[in-house]
Amino acid sequence: DQQVKQNSPSLSVQEGRISILNCDYTNSMFDYFLWYKKYPAEGPTFLISISSIKDKNEDGRFTVFLNKSAKHLSLHIVPSQPGDSAVYFCAASVKSGSEKLVFGKGTKLTVNP
Amino acid sequence: GAGVSQTPSNKVTEKGKYVELRCDPISGHTALYWYRQSLGQGPEFLIYFQGTGAADDSGLPNDRFFAVRPEGSVSTLKIQRTERGDSAVYLCASSPQRRPGTEAFFGQGTRLTVV
Repeated sequence: DQQVKQNSPSLSVQEGRISILNCDYTNSMFDYFLWYKKYPAEGPTFLISISSIKDKNEDGRFTVFLNKSAKHLSLHIVPSQPGDSAVYFCAASVKSGSEKLVFGKGTKLTVNP
Repeated sequence: GAGVSQTPSNKVTEKGKYVELRCDPISGHTALYWYRQSLGQGPEFLIYFQGTGAADDSGLPNDRFFAVRPEGSVSTLKIQRTERGDSAVYLCASSPQRRPGTEAFFGQGTRLTVV
Protein backbone atom coordinates (compact mmCIF):
# COMPACT_ATOMS: atom_id res chain seq x y z
CA ASP A 1 0.00 0.00 0.00
CA GLN A 2 1.26 3.43 -0.87
CA GLN A 3 1.68 5.64 2.20
CA VAL A 4 2.45 8.80 0.24
CA LYS A 5 0.33 9.56 -2.80
CA GLN A 6 0.71 12.11 -5.53
CA ASN A 7 -2.39 11.63 -7.62
CA SER A 8 -1.47 14.01 -10.43
CA PRO A 9 1.25 12.56 -12.66
CA SER A 10 1.64 15.86 -14.48
CA LEU A 11 0.81 19.55 -14.27
CA SER A 12 1.23 22.30 -16.82
CA VAL A 13 1.14 26.01 -15.94
CA GLN A 14 1.94 29.31 -17.59
CA GLU A 15 5.04 31.25 -16.58
CA GLY A 16 4.25 33.77 -13.85
CA ARG A 17 1.23 31.86 -12.59
CA ILE A 18 0.96 29.76 -9.44
CA SER A 19 1.80 26.06 -9.47
CA ILE A 20 0.10 23.91 -6.84
CA LEU A 21 1.32 20.37 -6.31
CA ASN A 22 -0.63 18.10 -4.00
CA CYS A 23 0.28 15.16 -1.80
CA ASP A 24 -1.75 12.89 0.49
CA TYR A 25 -0.48 10.49 3.11
CA THR A 26 -1.97 7.71 5.17
CA ASN A 27 0.52 7.13 7.99
CA SER A 28 -0.26 9.33 11.00
CA MET A 29 3.20 8.58 12.44
CA PHE A 30 4.94 10.76 9.85
CA ASP A 31 6.52 13.71 11.63
CA TYR A 32 8.37 15.52 8.85
CA PHE A 33 7.46 16.21 5.25
CA LEU A 34 9.73 17.23 2.42
CA TRP A 35 9.59 18.20 -1.23
CA TYR A 36 12.34 17.20 -3.62
CA LYS A 37 12.85 18.38 -7.19
CA LYS A 38 14.39 16.15 -9.82
CA TYR A 39 15.77 17.01 -13.24
CA PRO A 40 16.42 14.25 -15.80
CA ALA A 41 19.62 12.26 -15.20
CA GLU A 42 20.17 13.96 -11.85
CA GLY A 43 19.46 12.91 -8.31
CA PRO A 44 16.62 14.54 -6.36
CA THR A 45 17.50 17.84 -4.71
CA PHE A 46 15.91 19.06 -1.50
CA LEU A 47 13.52 21.95 -1.93
CA ILE A 48 11.58 22.65 1.26
CA SER A 49 10.33 20.83 4.34
CA ILE A 50 7.78 21.17 7.11
CA SER A 51 7.50 19.68 10.56
CA SER A 52 4.21 18.09 11.60
CA ILE A 53 3.84 20.70 14.35
CA LYS A 54 3.54 23.49 11.79
CA ASP A 55 0.98 24.19 9.10
CA LYS A 56 3.00 26.42 6.79
CA ASN A 57 6.59 26.97 5.79
CA GLU A 58 7.74 29.54 3.27
CA ASP A 59 11.04 29.91 1.44
CA GLY A 60 11.13 32.52 -1.28
CA ARG A 61 8.81 31.48 -4.09
CA PHE A 62 8.06 28.15 -2.44
CA THR A 63 5.49 27.54 0.29
CA VAL A 64 4.43 24.24 1.75
CA PHE A 65 1.09 23.87 3.53
CA LEU A 66 0.23 20.99 5.83
CA ASN A 67 -3.30 19.97 6.81
CA LYS A 68 -2.84 17.19 9.36
CA SER A 69 -6.52 16.48 9.85
CA ALA A 70 -6.89 15.83 6.14
CA LYS A 71 -3.45 14.18 5.87
CA HIS A 72 -2.73 16.46 2.97
CA LEU A 73 0.09 18.76 2.01
CA SER A 74 0.67 21.02 -0.94
CA LEU A 75 3.54 22.90 -2.50
CA HIS A 76 2.87 26.33 -3.95
CA ILE A 77 5.30 27.92 -6.37
CA VAL A 78 4.65 31.54 -7.21
CA PRO A 79 5.50 32.96 -9.60
CA SER A 80 6.33 29.86 -11.63
CA GLN A 81 9.37 30.01 -13.90
CA PRO A 82 10.40 27.79 -16.84
CA GLY A 83 13.40 26.59 -14.78
CA ASP A 84 10.95 25.10 -12.30
CA SER A 85 10.02 22.46 -14.88
CA ALA A 86 11.00 19.16 -13.24
CA VAL A 87 9.53 16.18 -11.41
CA TYR A 88 8.52 17.02 -7.86
CA PHE A 89 8.48 14.33 -5.20
CA CYS A 90 6.65 14.56 -1.92
CA ALA A 91 8.34 12.59 0.86
CA ALA A 92 7.63 11.86 4.49
CA SER A 93 9.88 10.87 7.34
CA VAL A 94 8.88 7.96 9.54
CA LYS A 95 9.47 8.36 13.26
CA SER A 96 11.44 5.12 13.44
CA GLY A 97 14.98 6.12 14.25
CA SER A 98 16.38 5.70 10.77
CA GLU A 99 14.29 8.61 9.52
CA LYS A 100 14.14 7.01 6.11
CA LEU A 101 12.09 8.85 3.54
CA VAL A 102 8.89 7.46 2.02
CA PHE A 103 8.32 9.01 -1.40
CA GLY A 104 5.32 9.55 -3.61
CA LYS A 105 5.46 8.73 -7.32
CA GLY A 106 6.11 12.31 -8.31
CA THR A 107 4.39 15.01 -10.36
CA LYS A 108 5.96 16.30 -13.54
CA LEU A 109 5.61 20.07 -13.66
CA THR A 110 5.93 21.92 -16.95
CA VAL A 111 6.07 25.71 -16.87
CA ASN A 112 5.42 27.17 -20.29
CA PRO A 113 7.06 30.46 -21.28
CA GLY B 1 34.07 16.33 -3.29
CA ALA B 2 31.25 18.84 -3.29
CA GLY B 3 28.41 16.35 -3.48
CA VAL B 4 27.47 12.70 -3.32
CA SER B 5 29.25 10.76 -6.05
CA GLN B 6 28.03 7.46 -7.46
CA THR B 7 29.90 5.17 -9.80
CA PRO B 8 29.34 3.89 -12.37
CA SER B 9 26.64 6.17 -13.74
CA ASN B 10 25.42 3.35 -15.97
CA LYS B 11 25.82 -0.40 -15.68
CA VAL B 12 24.57 -3.06 -18.07
CA THR B 13 24.90 -6.63 -16.88
CA GLU B 14 23.66 -10.05 -17.87
CA LYS B 15 21.06 -11.87 -15.86
CA GLY B 16 22.71 -13.98 -13.17
CA LYS B 17 25.82 -11.83 -12.86
CA TYR B 18 27.11 -10.04 -9.76
CA VAL B 19 27.34 -6.23 -9.61
CA GLU B 20 28.73 -3.65 -7.22
CA LEU B 21 27.57 -0.06 -7.05
CA ARG B 22 29.67 2.53 -5.25
CA CYS B 23 28.70 5.64 -3.29
CA ASP B 24 31.02 8.40 -2.03
CA PRO B 25 29.03 10.53 0.41
CA ILE B 26 29.63 14.14 1.34
CA SER B 27 32.64 14.35 3.65
CA GLY B 28 31.61 14.32 7.29
CA HIS B 29 28.10 12.98 6.72
CA THR B 30 27.56 10.05 9.04
CA ALA B 31 24.18 8.94 7.72
CA LEU B 32 24.05 7.16 4.36
CA TYR B 33 21.03 5.76 2.53
CA TRP B 34 20.45 3.63 -0.51
CA TYR B 35 17.21 3.97 -2.48
CA ARG B 36 15.97 2.32 -5.65
CA GLN B 37 13.83 4.09 -8.23
CA SER B 38 11.97 2.06 -10.81
CA LEU B 39 10.41 3.61 -13.89
CA GLY B 40 7.41 5.77 -13.02
CA GLN B 41 7.91 5.36 -9.29
CA GLY B 42 9.38 7.41 -6.51
CA PRO B 43 12.57 6.32 -4.77
CA GLU B 44 12.10 3.35 -2.43
CA PHE B 45 14.20 2.91 0.68
CA LEU B 46 16.66 0.01 0.75
CA ILE B 47 19.11 0.46 3.63
CA TYR B 48 20.40 3.05 6.10
CA PHE B 49 23.87 3.29 7.63
CA GLN B 50 24.78 5.33 10.67
CA GLY B 51 28.55 5.28 10.64
CA THR B 52 29.80 1.82 9.73
CA GLY B 53 26.76 -0.15 10.82
CA ALA B 54 23.57 -0.89 8.92
CA ALA B 55 21.00 0.57 11.30
CA ASP B 56 18.00 -0.29 9.14
CA ASP B 57 18.05 -2.78 6.26
CA SER B 58 14.32 -3.38 6.20
CA GLY B 59 14.02 -2.20 2.58
CA LEU B 60 16.36 -4.77 1.03
CA PRO B 61 14.08 -6.90 -1.15
CA ASN B 62 15.83 -10.24 -0.56
CA ASP B 63 19.14 -11.83 0.39
CA ARG B 64 20.65 -11.20 -3.04
CA PHE B 65 21.10 -7.58 -1.96
CA PHE B 66 23.81 -6.57 0.50
CA ALA B 67 25.53 -3.30 1.35
CA VAL B 68 28.64 -2.39 3.31
CA ARG B 69 30.27 0.75 4.63
CA PRO B 70 33.43 -0.57 6.30
CA GLU B 71 35.09 2.73 7.24
CA GLY B 72 32.02 4.86 7.72
CA SER B 73 32.47 6.74 4.46
CA VAL B 74 32.28 4.99 1.06
CA SER B 75 29.49 2.45 0.69
CA THR B 76 29.05 -0.38 -1.79
CA LEU B 77 25.74 -1.96 -2.72
CA LYS B 78 26.18 -5.52 -3.91
CA ILE B 79 23.66 -7.50 -5.91
CA GLN B 80 24.15 -11.21 -6.52
CA ARG B 81 22.53 -13.31 -9.25
CA THR B 82 20.96 -10.26 -10.85
CA GLU B 83 17.45 -10.52 -12.31
CA ARG B 84 15.74 -8.40 -14.94
CA GLY B 85 13.48 -7.00 -12.22
CA ASP B 86 16.52 -5.46 -10.54
CA SER B 87 16.79 -2.96 -13.39
CA ALA B 88 16.32 0.50 -11.87
CA VAL B 89 18.18 3.64 -10.87
CA TYR B 90 19.98 3.11 -7.57
CA LEU B 91 20.31 6.32 -5.58
CA CYS B 92 22.61 7.02 -2.69
CA ALA B 93 22.03 9.86 -0.23
CA SER B 94 23.91 11.20 2.76
CA SER B 95 23.01 13.60 5.52
CA PRO B 96 24.74 15.12 8.53
CA GLN B 97 24.40 13.72 12.01
CA ARG B 98 22.13 16.38 13.41
CA ARG B 99 18.97 15.22 11.65
CA PRO B 100 19.52 12.02 9.68
CA GLY B 101 17.01 11.47 6.90
CA THR B 102 15.89 15.02 6.52
CA GLU B 103 17.42 17.18 3.83
CA ALA B 104 19.32 14.18 2.54
CA PHE B 105 21.66 14.99 -0.34
CA PHE B 106 21.33 12.62 -3.25
CA GLY B 107 23.84 11.48 -5.82
CA GLN B 108 22.96 11.32 -9.52
CA GLY B 109 22.30 7.60 -9.30
CA THR B 110 23.51 4.47 -11.04
CA ARG B 111 21.23 3.21 -13.79
CA LEU B 112 21.38 -0.60 -13.68
CA THR B 113 20.09 -2.56 -16.65
CA VAL B 114 19.92 -6.33 -16.43
CA VAL B 115 19.59 -8.00 -19.84
